[in-house]
Amino acid sequence: NAGVTQTPKFQVLKTGQSMTLQCAQDMNHEYMSWYRQDPGMGLRLIHYSVGAGITDQGEVPNGYNVSRSTTEDFPLRLLSAAPSQTSVYFCASSRGDYNEQFFGPGTRLTVL
Amino acid sequence: SQQGEEDPQALSIQEGENATMNCSYKTSINNLQWYRQNSGRGLVHLILIRSNEREKHSGRLRVTLDTSKKSSSLLITASRAADTASYFCATDEGAGGTSYGKLTFGQGTILTVHP
Repeated sequence: NAGVTQTPKFQVLKTGQSMTLQCAQDMNHEYMSWYRQDPGMGLRLIHYSVGAGITDQGEVPNGYNVSRSTTEDFPLRLLSAAPSQTSVYFCASSRGDYNEQFFGPGTRLTVL
Repeated sequence: SQQGEEDPQALSIQEGENATMNCSYKTSINNLQWYRQNSGRGLVHLILIRSNEREKHSGRLRVTLDTSKKSSSLLITASRAADTASYFCATDEGAGGTSYGKLTFGQGTILTVHP
């Protein structure tokens, strides 16, 4: 199993550009989440999903959209990138019911 | 806002010593988890303790949970240089026996173990 994969690893955007961060998992996990990590801080939840077709907002959802059309994939869309969105983005999945989350390697995004 | 507050922010010890990190949180929880992050990498799950548990062990790790004080501690015994990493606590506020995969993380403790 590849676990949780994220693409791209690195991305530089200009202010106002849009892009999609990809996340996929091959563990048949129902629950998937997106977090951002800023220097010196823990992870903050952006959006999460408890199954295909079901998504909800986390702590910092503004400026981001998600959809979950399949169990495997959970893309994160930046609608109009801003410098404040410069961060490292992590995707995670879990089976739910007390189970731990499995994290992807992260995408380092810089918005100029 | 961050649910968990971790203490200390940074900890520097010698190989063989024990390392203790503390986490406090604000609301009722379903479970509390500890994660490790090596520099520039994703997080790796270490241990999960449910709200009705008080102590849990996994290898050299020992986690305690005091729900009355809303606090947890992670003890790493006989530390090694390879334990150098950031350690995060995360709380799950899911209802009943179900986790919704919605974790709230603390700011982390940076542990440095000198050989």
